[in-house]
Amino acid sequence: GEQVEQRPPHLSVREGDSAFITCTYTDPNSYYFFWYKQEPGASLQLLMKVFSSTEINEGQGFTVLLNKKDKRLSLNLTAAHPGDSAAYFCAGYQGGRALIFGTGTTVSVSP
Amino acid sequence: EAAVTQSPRNKVAVTGGKVTLSCNQTNNHNNMYWYRQDTGHGLRLIHYSYGAGSTEKGDIPDGYKASRPSQENFSLILELATPSQTSVYFCASGEQGALAETLYFGSGTRLTVL
Repeated sequence: GEQVEQRPPHLSVREGDSAFITCTYTDPNSYYFFWYKQEPGASLQLLMKVFSSTEINEGQGFTVLLNKKDKRLSLNLTAAHPGDSAAYFCAGYQGGRALIFGTGTTVSVSP
Repeated sequence: EAAVTQSPRNKVAVTGGKVTLSCNQTNNHNNMYWYRQDTGHGLRLIHYSYGAGSTEKGDIPDGYKASRPSQENFSLILELATPSQTSVYFCASGEQGALAETLYFGSGTRLTVL
């Protein structure tokens, strides 16, 4: 079936550095993506929705890039701070039925 | 914001026992979902529902049943629990937008099967 591969599984950065997470997907017709943040022991919180028509999306402290040619979605935490320490999941609609999630990236930001 | 409530938060069960995980949403969303989360696998879809009385199989339905008696409630049932079903389970409801659906998740249920 359709898959979403997410890399890296773990990421450790210092406060103020950038943290870069990438997801690659297989369905060229995918059109709608999500990034979720999950703090330790907590549920998944929606970080951003991404339309396939918009290649660059900026949020508070992060940027999401969509490269449709390479079928790659990325999340860049700019100037990371300890509050960004969490697991991050990408997800996308492929085949139309339900969200397919990446395997997650655990980000650790040290002071 | 969507309110999805799961119960219990934690559950310990014995192998062969019956386990019911409950989910309630107060947002009148038609669609509801059950996922399990395991290290290295992300979230995997077990069952979902389009509305009261409907249940559909997801990607990993074996060993699970689902029940949607009302718009608000969606249960996941393990008739004969096994240790391989030890996991964290998330329920979600879906808000249909113009282009696609956005999922809102409950707080999760940590299930341990001994």
